[in-house]
Amino acid sequence: DSGVTQTPKHLITATGQRVTLRCSPRSGDLSVYWYQQSLDQGLQFLIQYYNGEERAKGNILERFSAQQFPDLHSELNLSSLELGDSALYFCASSAGQMEEKLFFGSGTQLSVL
Amino acid sequence: GENVEQHPSTLSVQEGDSAVIKCTYSDSASNYFPWYKQELGKGPQLIIDIRSNVGEKKDQRIAVTLNKTAKHFSLHITETQPEDSAVYFCAAPSGSARQLTFGSGTQLTVLP
Repeated sequence: DSGVTQTPKHLITATGQRVTLRCSPRSGDLSVYWYQQSLDQGLQFLIQYYNGEERAKGNILERFSAQQFPDLHSELNLSSLELGDSALYFCASSAGQMEEKLFFGSGTQLSVL
Repeated sequence: GENVEQHPSTLSVQEGDSAVIKCTYSDSASNYFPWYKQELGKGPQLIIDIRSNVGEKKDQRIAVTLNKTAKHFSLHITETQPEDSAVYFCAAPSGSARQLTFGSGTQLTVLP
């Protein structure tokens, strides 16, 4: 158990809908990262927050947004969903800001029908 | 940005044999190289990492070697066991924020 909690484990929704994925980092970790894993794209970095502030942005679509709350949990919001958004979404956390061990949650499997 | 290439994409070995997975990176400023293991239905788990001030690091049956001049690093698993079967990912920092860029993964199958 990595100590990173993601909910829900599975999410099935329709095109055009909006969903929210939730992540609680390991106790004491200040950074939260979101990754998307699909069969053809591997693990793609989406966005990182450090202590409530956005720190780095990767290949995150404009339809997607995230935030980190004062209690350090994070939410990833996906809107106007398309079939191609179906993927595993992972949250990871680390103690600091960069180049260090990431601890991954077990992911949220999103299926857009 | 950083480009991390990983080979092979699939690898089958007999139980007890060794397995080697290789990665190359493009960002010469990279100085931290982790390896993650992902079992079916789970998130990636860090199994070993190395910083650029050393050329090799070992932890029981797994080891990582780094060649900074050639910009490649490798994962070595000795005396493989069926529970080593999983997808393995290498990674290297990239971008101004030094976030990890992952390789495309290697599906390792250890045959009993």
